Amino acid sequence: EAQVTQNPRYLITVTGKKLTVTCSQNMNHEYMSWYRQDPGLGLRQIYYSMNVEVTDKGDVPEGYKVSRKEKRNFPLILESPSPNQTSLYFCASSLTAGSEQFFGPGTRLTVL
Amino acid sequence: EDQVTQSPEALRLQEGESSSLNCSYTVSGLRGLFWYRQDPGKGPEFLFTLYSAGEEKEKERLKATLTKKESFLHITAPKPEDSATYLCAVLGNSGYSTLTFGKGTMLLVSP
Repeated sequence: EAQVTQNPRYLITVTGKKLTVTCSQNMNHEYMSWYRQDPGLGLRQIYYSMNVEVTDKGDVPEGYKVSRKEKRNFPLILESPSPNQTSLYFCASSLTAGSEQFFGPGTRLTVL
Repeated sequence: EDQVTQSPEALRLQEGESSSLNCSYTVSGLRGLFWYRQDPGKGPEFLFTLYSAGEEKEKERLKATLTKKESFLHITAPKPEDSATYLCAVLGNSGYSTLTFGKGTMLLVSP
């Protein structure tokens, strides 16, 4: 089954404790991206990747890091999480930037 | 900077009552306009991509249209299962590959 998986689905952590949210796709897609979704602000793109070892900033990259060492994986790293990073995070993948994106189930992160 | 504005923010319809959702956009060259459906607590699900003014696409009770400034999602004779948030997004020609989403229209269809 074609899918995008994210782990963990729910995470409660404390300020400053480094964390990684994993994202994996099994569709051999080149384009992958991370979004955060907040009430009243909608979906905002954090980072995207056009292919292995090629990443670029989206609209809200501050406080986040990403890497793309393999085509299927695109982890999101929060080196020092802060309460304003409490949000619902989605990973997505697509063949290209201009094609339909497949979204993961989401990760709900709470930073205390 | 690409911008997307969706209206209305929320819409309540009776089953069978047709209506339209609006997505107004500003981009420096449109590479694609996308419609997604999102159910509570889930990731968005792709509906349509439109690439040029005049283009139309249909899927069951949904029909998406595109002009140079806006897109409409027409819902014909909606059913309660059409209740969801509908998101519009654009990919512009700014040299980057950033997708810009609108805030969505929350649709509730009552039986």
